[in-house]
Amino acid sequence: QSVLTQPPSVSAAPGQKVTISCSGSSSNIGNNYLSWYQHLPGTAHKLLIYDNNKRPSGIPDRFSGSKSGTSATLGITGLQTGDEADYYCGTWDSSLSAWVFGGGTKLTVL
Amino acid sequence: QLQLQESGPGLVKPSETLSLTCSVSGGSISSSSHYWGWIRQPPGKGLEWIGSLYYSGSTYYNPSLKSRVTISVDTSKNQFSLRLSSVTAADTAVYYCARLSADSSGYYGIKDSWGQGTLVTVSS
Repeated sequence: QSVLTQPPSVSAAPGQKVTISCSGSSSNIGNNYLSWYQHLPGTAHKLLIYDNNKRPSGIPDRFSGSKSGTSATLGITGLQTGDEADYYCGTWDSSLSAWVFGGGTKLTVL
Repeated sequence: QLQLQESGPGLVKPSETLSLTCSVSGGSISSSSHYWGWIRQPPGKGLEWIGSLYYSGSTYYNPSLKSRVTISVDTSKNQFSLRLSSVTAADTAVYYCARLSADSSGYYGIKDSWGQGTLVTVSS
């Protein structure tokens, strides 16, 4: 059971927009910065978003992050088949004194 | 371009010690701007942070694993290592190493580069 809660799967058509939620508590998301990661099987995880809503260089602005209270959202617009992957959120949990993650969300681009 | 590569035995017997090494290329493990860490993912489950290390040797571990974990660094080889003792089947997982950058609070938790991972199975 992961500390952060994500939907197991989401799907949308090419060109459409999708959002992936990440829910936590005041000990993690509510008071700490959140990151989002993309993982395509057989490849290394890729950092998509850090500090809730910042994109590393090279990450297209189709990817966006937001946070409100104890929940966060990853948005992906203009979906491409290459976006099919698993997405994870992660942050520090002050109560556990540990870095924690969501269980991951599998994105299918239909 | 920074690359990280995990290596070590893919099969470990119960009660023994799991040992993995992460080799870093394209960058220095002695960077003052980064920590280095280990993360794992058991089959069908989510990611779990194991621990983090600074090139000086300073470490901090997941409290749930702290009694069994040792992470160390070899700056001469540009590598860092993980040792997990007294393993059981529950330690079967894909193990990843990663470079960690600081977020705006100064906490080194942004995993900005990852290795591809290595599967370690605990079985007799």
